[in-house]
Amino acid sequence: RKEVEQDPGPFNVPEGATVAFNCTYSNSASQSFFWYRQDCRKEPKLLMSVYSSGNEDGRFTAQLNRASQYISLLIRDSKLSDSATYLCVVRSNDYKLSFGAGTTVTVRA
Amino acid sequence: DAGITQSPRHKVTETGTPVTLRCHQTENHRYMYWYRQDPGHGLRLIHYSYGVKDTDKGEVSDGYSVSRSKTEDFLLTLESATSSQTSVYFCAISGTSGGPDTQYFGPGTRLTVL
Repeated sequence: RKEVEQDPGPFNVPEGATVAFNCTYSNSASQSFFWYRQDCRKEPKLLMSVYSSGNEDGRFTAQLNRASQYISLLIRDSKLSDSATYLCVVRSNDYKLSFGAGTTVTVRA
Repeated sequence: DAGITQSPRHKVTETGTPVTLRCHQTENHRYMYWYRQDPGHGLRLIHYSYGVKDTDKGEVSDGYSVSRSKTEDFLLTLESATSSQTSVYFCAISGTSGGPDTQYFGPGTRLTVL
């Protein structure tokens, strides 16, 4: 079983729509959680960390559910520039990160 | 953007040849990592370093070796390249005063082994 699993999508949404997706992780001892963004043929970049109480960064909202071992990302008022692959990332109790394979979001005009 | 460069950016080589990829940082970060990324897989850790001359294996280390003789450089070597090592390779750095949670990635190297 993969440590981090994501729905690959693609999620095709119109501009202005809300899109949300989850990822699940297998290690209940995981300590830190992140969403990274990766544009086509580019390097991943940190989008936001995910805190236990949930957190927002502009149009992006991240939630953590430790009991069910999943993380979610919600994007409000989608922009064309939000089209990307979103990587769910989890750190366990050492200094290595585990990456999901990514969820692809395409925002259309 | 974090000061990370990778070289070469693209390489085509033949099965059985040795290949060395270089990662160079100007951020004085303690931790450096090599990942590979393949379709349908997340980034998978090959090797990482937690200081000069201090390295350890990741989950897909077979067929790869690394060296770190200076803080700024982390080399990944494929001793005898195979077609299964065709991939995109990313270097990452992390960890200034805190832990290595936030990783900054280099632009990647596209390696094709024929």
